Amino acid sequence: DQQVKQNSPSLSVQEGRISILNCDYTNSMFDYFLWYKKYPAEGPTFLISISSIKDKNEDGRFTVFLNKSAKHLSLHIVPSQPGDSAVYFCADTSSASKIIFGSGTRLSIRP
Amino acid sequence: DAEITQSPRHKITETGRQVTLACHQTWNHNNMFWYRQDLGHGLRLIHYSYGVHDTNKGEVSDGYSVSRSNTEDLPLTLESAASSQTSVYFCASSQTGIGSGGELFFGEGSRLTVL
Repeated sequence: DQQVKQNSPSLSVQEGRISILNCDYTNSMFDYFLWYKKYPAEGPTFLISISSIKDKNEDGRFTVFLNKSAKHLSLHIVPSQPGDSAVYFCADTSSASKIIFGSGTRLSIRP
Repeated sequence: DAEITQSPRHKITETGRQVTLACHQTWNHNNMFWYRQDLGHGLRLIHYSYGVHDTNKGEVSDGYSVSRSNTEDLPLTLESAASSQTSVYFCASSQTGIGSGGELFFGEGSRLTVL
């Protein structure tokens, strides 16, 4: 069974510094991992993904790292900006064409 | 522009009532999903469909049903609403091949309160 865990429900980071959001997974199958961002009263929107055959994927200020031996992935945002304040969900896909989400981490960027 | 819309955006109902949340997408996506979002649980999959007349149960499907009579719509029905079903519901769609990293496109959500 797929399981995705985000153990930090919230994170506060100063503007301009690096934000690091973490996610652990249990599924050993070939997967893609995705990060979604959600603002209040809106639906989640896709942010960045990484294939399980890669270690890193970068898109502007956002970089996702995958540590397959530890079954851990992290999202780095640098530099953090006020508009980055949102809830971030990591998600795991499987060959069964489902996306399973973690419980989310609320990121707050303080001045 | 193609989009995915949910209705109603807000609904208050009473315990035991039947409630249907509508989801309509204009991308012609084969895959459609219903999730609920609750504090501490994140997004949990209720039901999903890979095409017309196909429906599958997710991790929290008890008390919910869906039907897929066309590509565009996947209505979610609560046969007898319970207070535990008070939540925000999100519909999503995706292109075929989601296992290859395809992203989900979400609606804006439907907030349901069961009194």
